[in-house]
Amino acid sequence: AQSVTQLDSQVPVFEEAPVELRCNYSSSVSVYLFWYVQYPNQGLQLLLKYLSGSTLVKGINGFEAEFNKSQTSFHLRKPSVHISDTAEYFCAVMRNEKLTFGTGTRLTIIP
Amino acid sequence: NAGVTQTPKFQVLKTGQSMTLQCAQDMNHEYMSWYRQDPGMGLRLIHYSVGAGITDQGEVPNGYNVSRSTTEDFPLRLLSAAPSQTSVYFCASSYRGQGNIQYFGAGTRLSVL
Repeated sequence: AQSVTQLDSQVPVFEEAPVELRCNYSSSVSVYLFWYVQYPNQGLQLLLKYLSGSTLVKGINGFEAEFNKSQTSFHLRKPSVHISDTAEYFCAVMRNEKLTFGTGTRLTIIP
Repeated sequence: NAGVTQTPKFQVLKTGQSMTLQCAQDMNHEYMSWYRQDPGMGLRLIHYSVGAGITDQGEVPNGYNVSRSTTEDFPLRLLSAAPSQTSVYFCASSYRGQGNIQYFGAGTRLSVL
């Protein structure tokens, strides 16, 4: 079975500072990796995904993530956050067309 | 293009009542799924469907029924609501195949008293 671990449930960051949201997954076979964002009182929307190829994946709103197979990690980064990045971020793995989500990281931007 | 539409947005039920959460998509997606979101637990898959007439269980199927009579619609039924089913429910859809993006509805917030 797949599992996804997001170690940080909450991350406060000052505006314009860099941020990294951590995600580790467990799998014995190849998986597809996703980061979704959920703004307050909304559904989820895709930030970026890794299927194959380059291990550095760029997404929307200036976010990027790096796939590290040896460490089974898929950390999300942004070099400079904005107040509008306040949201909950979910890492997910897909196998057999089914998504398994992590428990989420709430990113709070401090003005 | 409406995408994935969920109704109602909010619902309050009494224990033992039944109801159906509606989900419709207009993107001709084969794959549809239902998740529930609870604080500190992320989203967990309830049921999913890979096409009309085909459904299967996810991680937390107990207490929920689904059917898929058309490509567009994938309703979720609670036959006898319990307080443990208080949650936010999300429907999603995608094309079939590995790595396809799932598109989510805005959610239904359900409280069972």
